[in-house]
Amino acid sequence: DSGVTQTPKHLITATGQRVTLRCSPRSGDLSVYWYQQSLDQGLQFLIQYYNGEERAKGNILERFSAQQFPDLHSELNLSSLELGDSALYFCASSVGDGTYTGELFFGEGSRLTVL
Amino acid sequence: DQQVKQNSPSLSVQEGRISILNCDYTNSMFDYFLWYKKYPAEGPTFLISISSIKDKNEDGRFTVFLNKSAKHLSLHIVPSQPGDSAVYFCASHRDDKIIFGKGTRLHILP
Repeated sequence: DSGVTQTPKHLITATGQRVTLRCSPRSGDLSVYWYQQSLDQGLQFLIQYYNGEERAKGNILERFSAQQFPDLHSELNLSSLELGDSALYFCASSVGDGTYTGELFFGEGSRLTVL
Repeated sequence: DQQVKQNSPSLSVQEGRISILNCDYTNSMFDYFLWYKKYPAEGPTFLISISSIKDKNEDGRFTVFLNKSAKHLSLHIVPSQPGDSAVYFCASHRDDKIIFGKGTRLHILP
């Protein structure tokens, strides 16, 4: 158990819809990362937050947005969903205090299926 | 623009032998390289890392080698065990951004 909690574990929805994925980081971790893993693809970095502020952005589509709340949990919002958005979405957390060397703690992922 | 490349989608190794997983990178401006391991239905877990200023880091059965001139790193697992069967991701870290490769699926054969 990494200590990172993601909900829901599975989600099935239709094209054009909007969904929200939720992540609670490990206790004490200030940084939250979101990754997308599609079929035959590696982990694509989407976005990172540190203590409520956006810190780094990767290949995140304009239809996607995220935020980190004062209690440090994070939400990833996916809108106008397309078939190609079907993927496993991982959240990860780290201390993020500058001494960090790249070790992330991942949740079990949220599997999104768009029909 | 894939900065970290794992060119072998899969690898099969006999139990007890050495497993060598490879990774190439294109940008030299990284702070650390990392290896993560992933079992089905679980999130990736951190395995081992190496600073960009070092050539080797060892942790038990796992050793990572960094060849900066070739922009190549490798993970050696000796001896390979059945529980090592998983997908292994190579990753680079710089400025809080961690970029992953596509992964290599390792099969340990009995």
